[in-house]
Amino acid sequence: AQTVTQSQPEMSVQEAETVTLSCTYDTSESDYYLFWYKQPPSRQMILVIRQEAYKQQNATENRFSVNFQKAAKSFSLKISDSQLGDAAMYFCAYRGNTGNQFYFGTGTSLTVIP
Amino acid sequence: DTAVSQTPKYLVTQMGNDKSIKCEQNLGHDTMYWYKQDSKKFLKIMFSYNNKELIINETVPNRFSPKSPDKAHLNLHINSLELGDSAVYFCASSQRGGADTQYFGPGTRLTVL
Repeated sequence: AQTVTQSQPEMSVQEAETVTLSCTYDTSESDYYLFWYKQPPSRQMILVIRQEAYKQQNATENRFSVNFQKAAKSFSLKISDSQLGDAAMYFCAYRGNTGNQFYFGTGTSLTVIP
Repeated sequence: DTAVSQTPKYLVTQMGNDKSIKCEQNLGHDTMYWYKQDSKKFLKIMFSYNNKELIINETVPNRFSPKSPDKAHLNLHINSLELGDSAVYFCASSQRGGADTQYFGPGTRLTVL
């Protein structure tokens, strides 16, 4: 079975600084999709960014970007110019090319320090 | 114009009771899911339905029974509630096929006393 590992249970960053959240995964598939979701205190799961494994170019969404290393099975999230509203739990998720099941990591709690 | 909605947002009940959580999506998606998020924030899939058909059924006690009256709705019924059922339950939906991103509802916090 696929597994997703987030080795940082908690991270903190100074407002306006940059922080990187790490994620590694294990799979035997060659084609798959990776996601970062944000869960603020409101509990809603919000999609932050998505990466297709067949694309070599790293996905970017405004202040959020990923460093996707397929050979290393690593998918880190970089948040630039951190804002107070970025404080949340961040979940890395994997979805294979076949089937509908998502596999989530255990999450990283991000604190933004004013 | 909420995309995925769940009711209720909070549910407090006694052990042994039966309760239901409703989920509706207005995105026209074919696939819907139920997840359970425990106190340690671990998010684990419970069920997945595609066009009203069950396609994923993880190891979940049979006290949990999903029901999909149509592809826009996936309700979760729980019989004989136990203390360990206390968690936040999330409904999600996606368009089947391709890189379908899942869209989540706001979650339902279930507390069993």
